[in-house]
Amino acid sequence: NAGVTQTPKFRVLKTGQSMTLLCAQDMNHEYMYWYRQDPGMGLRLIHYSVGEGTTAKGEVPDGYNVSRLKKQNFLLGLESAAPSQTSVYFCASSSGTGWFEQYFGPGTRLTVT
Amino acid sequence: DAKTTQPPSMDCAEGRAANLPCNHSTISGNEYVYWYRQIHSQGPQYIIHGLKNNETNEMASLIITEDRKSSTLILPHATLRDTAVYYCIAQKTSYDKVIFGPGTSLSVIP
Repeated sequence: NAGVTQTPKFRVLKTGQSMTLLCAQDMNHEYMYWYRQDPGMGLRLIHYSVGEGTTAKGEVPDGYNVSRLKKQNFLLGLESAAPSQTSVYFCASSSGTGWFEQYFGPGTRLTVT
Repeated sequence: DAKTTQPPSMDCAEGRAANLPCNHSTISGNEYVYWYRQIHSQGPQYIIHGLKNNETNEMASLIITEDRKSSTLILPHATLRDTAVYYCIAQKTSYDKVIFGPGTSLSVIP
């Protein structure tokens, strides 16, 4: 049982390049989330999903797109990366029933130059 | 979701109890109080949650005031490994956007 995994762990992009971050969970969780964390700040919710095929905007969705084609995977896309998107990105999942303990992945450190 | 406010930082001597406060004066009746912590550069880790009764697990205790406007997370015997940022969140029983604030940076001092 790996829990929540994220790919890649590190990435450096040039301004304008695109990339996709992959989040996978093996706990059969309904809900999945993408957060970003900038230095010295708390986590900010980018997008989330309440089930396969659904997505919704969080607190800071601009510049990002997401897809949840399979229940176990949640993809975060940057179509045209900007230096302001330099951050650590965390994925999380929760069961969606009763209470909502979120399980977090180890994070992806992204630098946009 | 209700907003929460926490002190930005606290110190605690190793072996002593760490008491981390959280104010959530606008919490509604169907919102739970959750606590997470984040050890440097790792993903946040769930600690405990509660609605109106005090709760205890192997990691910590959660004390919620009777009016539910504030709570305290207690680490009974703090160790150096408890040095982390602690987040207090108010969340509804049904899903809604979860907002992590800046949290409290706890330093456990030898």
